Amino acid sequence: DIQMTQSPSALSASVGDRVTITCRASQSISIYLNWYQQKPGKAPKLLIYAASSLQSGVPSRFSGSGSGTDFTLTISSLQPEDFAAYYCQQSYSTLLTFGGGTKVEIK
Amino acid sequence: QVQLQESGPGLVKPSGTLSLTCAVSGGSINSSNWWSWVRQPPGKGLQWIGEIYHTGSTNSNPSLKSRVTMSMDKSKNQFSLKLSSVTAADTAVYYCARRRSLGLFDPWGQGTLVTVSS
Repeated sequence: DIQMTQSPSALSASVGDRVTITCRASQSISIYLNWYQQKPGKAPKLLIYAASSLQSGVPSRFSGSGSGTDFTLTISSLQPEDFAAYYCQQSYSTLLTFGGGTKVEIK
Repeated sequence: QVQLQESGPGLVKPSGTLSLTCAVSGGSINSSNWWSWVRQPPGKGLQWIGEIYHTGSTNSNPSLKSRVTMSMDKSKNQFSLKLSSVTAADTAVYYCARRRSLGLFDPWGQGTLVTVSS
């Protein structure tokens, strides 16, 4: 299995802050890395695919970067609606796996 | 646009079989996409269960493979999941989702909570 490790598991931030979440794969996955946002009681929502491509309709304050084993999701200026959990997911192998998640909370 | 909706019993007895259906609207399941199941235990992260293609081909998580059966009904534009010999550890919100090229999941169903309890 390809293990996906996210850090931090939780963070507190204020509106307007720049937030960075890291996802590390246990082996190289090229750019086969996707990011999702999940709000309480809701299904995950695709934000970024192929490491850095912004899903249609997602605000441009969200961006992704990385390749190989190390990836980041950046929110350039945190908005009230961005407080949620974020998950990375690799699609390099047939066994699809997710990171453990990062909960972004209000400071 | 494509929408997915899960349905099935919310309560299953231990050692029983969990059965869920995902109805697809706004698009055909007879298309070049994989139709997937993902679950999330309360307060925990996401686990991919498995997927089915319109040809009937399936892939599943090795940790669940011996208990998972997936099928599709093209006439009803829906696909289904059966998970046998369930225990309390299978209590989770179960989501269906379309897996597109590049391996991304989009869209997702709203999810349905299945509790395993006597």
